[in-house]
Amino acid sequence: QKEVEQNSGPLSVPEGAIASLNCTYSDRGSQSFFWYRQYSGKSPELIMSIYSNGDKEDGRFTAQLNKASQYVSLLIRDSQPSDSATYLCAVIWTGGFKTIFGAGTRLFVKA
Amino acid sequence: EPEVTQTPSHQVTQMGQEVILRCVPISNHLYFYWYRQILGQKVEFLVSFYNNEISEKSEIFDDQFSVERPDGSNFTLKIRSTKLEDSAMYFCASSDITAGASTDTQYFGPGTRLTVL
Repeated sequence: QKEVEQNSGPLSVPEGAIASLNCTYSDRGSQSFFWYRQYSGKSPELIMSIYSNGDKEDGRFTAQLNKASQYVSLLIRDSQPSDSATYLCAVIWTGGFKTIFGAGTRLFVKA
Repeated sequence: EPEVTQTPSHQVTQMGQEVILRCVPISNHLYFYWYRQILGQKVEFLVSFYNNEISEKSEIFDDQFSVERPDGSNFTLKIRSTKLEDSAMYFCASSDITAGASTDTQYFGPGTRLTVL
């Protein structure tokens, strides 16, 4: 059974701080990793995708992937109140079309 | 900016009734997906569709469910005989690249909230 695990939170950080979100997955045969943001009552919105070990930066967001540890993380620098949302980690396994989502981590950024 | 649209935004139905949820993917996309999210729970993959056939489906997607691309623009999810536990938000997504490819981005529609009474 392929699974994606996230700490449900909530994670609370002050405005301007770094928010660190973590995700682990169950199977080494994974290929693609995604972070989505979901505001309450809205659909998921892709923030970052990462496919190889290391860091990938896009603006205030950095995704980190460690396949040996089966671990992927998302750092949000200079957190803003508008970043308050649920962050979903998602994984697609090699050869498949199925995206497996974690349960999400709720992030609160306090002004 | 192109976007995925879904209709209706909210569907209320009686248990045992058939419902059809409609999606219009982004026009040049070839890969289509349905997901559902029960209130307070995780997003769950239902099915992927490419070249007029199902490419993968989850264990949730049983014989009660079917998908169709009836014309060049619509992508539908049919639930033949709804159950109380089918109440959820249903999201359609589309992509122009196969799932997991290095430039894959799935664009999600706003969702249809299905309530089964």
